[in-house]
Amino acid sequence: DAGITQSPRHKVTETGTPVTLRCHQTENHRYMYWYRQDPGHGLRLIHYSYGVKDTDKGEVSDGYSVSRSKTEDFLLTLESATSSQTSVYFCAISESIGDLQPQHFGDGTRLSIL
Amino acid sequence: EDKVVQSPLSLVVHEGDTVTLNCSYEVTNFRSLLWYKQEKKAPTFLFMLTSSGIEKKSGRLSSILDKKELFSILNITATQTGDSAVYLCAVSIQGAQKLVFGQGTRLTINP
Repeated sequence: DAGITQSPRHKVTETGTPVTLRCHQTENHRYMYWYRQDPGHGLRLIHYSYGVKDTDKGEVSDGYSVSRSKTEDFLLTLESATSSQTSVYFCAISESIGDLQPQHFGDGTRLSIL
Repeated sequence: EDKVVQSPLSLVVHEGDTVTLNCSYEVTNFRSLLWYKQEKKAPTFLFMLTSSGIEKKSGRLSSILDKKELFSILNITATQTGDSAVYLCAVSIQGAQKLVFGQGTRLTINP
């Protein structure tokens, strides 16, 4: 299994509070991704990183920010959580793009915004 | 807009049956197509396909890509209850650091 740890695994919080999810990898992979998974929508990309301090937006980035200060850690922040952000969040990593390496996923964080 | 569509969305079969899951796509600048299996937690990687007509095989699972007709199939023979899962199809786009996922097929194998 790819060495990916997401924390926390479960979180319940209230609308308007800030939330930070952490993804930690031990594979030294360059690329890291945050997805959300919702019924009827499959997995959708929120943000991704292609190196330390290098990040870019995905298709559903509104309301989310990310940071990557070290190769192994990729943080996802909801500045002011809303009920529409209730979802399961997955982190993924990949070694490279040019060599057609697949993305490998963490076990997910189940986030409920009340 | 890049789109990946899987069918059926849900499938229930008996142990020992053979199943075929479908994935069609409409994307700009196709790079590769990937299949994942998702049980309770993380999607786990099954296959990556880049070339038409070349079957990838792993045990009872196999997959093939048709780049002309823009689809892929995932076959599972002699199904077992442990094959019960959601199977996800995703397409990687050239020049964009992302996977576009289909909605998934929920496969249930009854003993």
